[in-house]
Amino acid sequence: TQLLEQSPQFLSIQEGENLTVYCNSSSVFSSLQWYRQEPGEGPVLLVTVVTGGEVKKLKRLTFQFGDARKDSSLHITAAQPGDTGLYLCAAENNAGNMLTFGGGTRLMVKP
Amino acid sequence: DAGVIQSPRHEVTEMGQEVTLRCKPISGHDYLFWYRQTMMRGLELLIYFNNNVPIDDSGMPEDRFSAKMPNASFSTLKIQPSEPRDSAVYFCASSLNRASHLGGYTFGSGTRLTVV
Repeated sequence: TQLLEQSPQFLSIQEGENLTVYCNSSSVFSSLQWYRQEPGEGPVLLVTVVTGGEVKKLKRLTFQFGDARKDSSLHITAAQPGDTGLYLCAAENNAGNMLTFGGGTRLMVKP
Repeated sequence: DAGVIQSPRHEVTEMGQEVTLRCKPISGHDYLFWYRQTMMRGLELLIYFNNNVPIDDSGMPEDRFSAKMPNASFSTLKIQPSEPRDSAVYFCASSLNRASHLGGYTFGSGTRLTVV
């Protein structure tokens, strides 16, 4: 079983600030996904990264997959209150049909 | 498509009662997953199905939990008898063949279960 460690667990910032959250493991991932979950809803897929060193951008969100495919980061530029939520990383098993989720980073962006 | 549909959204029940949670996956998705989410343990996989067949139920806490998928458009998760420690949000998710390359999982809005 792949253990995914996310840090920080909680983050409270002011609108306009930048932030980075991390997802780490001792295992090598074949791919990794990031989800965002808002209160009262299920997680929603943001991005999938597959190649070591890959960088993907989604508006103000930048996702990076480590060269060794053991870690990933999510950077948000100029955070807005609408970014508030629980950010989860998830990695698939070797068969590619099951995801294990990290514990999440709970982000609050204050206006 | 309306997405993954779960019912009920909220369930409050007394300890010892039977609880049944329902899920309708996205049409055409081959995989269906049941997860449980708590503050302490995060998202835990309980069981998943491929083409209506249970593949891995190692995450099911104990015999009080059971899940069925009688057809491609419906699944249930049953707890009998329920206990206060079962209180959590239960999510159903579905996906195409490979989660990584074909859009990941689509989650329902969850069922918040409270056992008193």
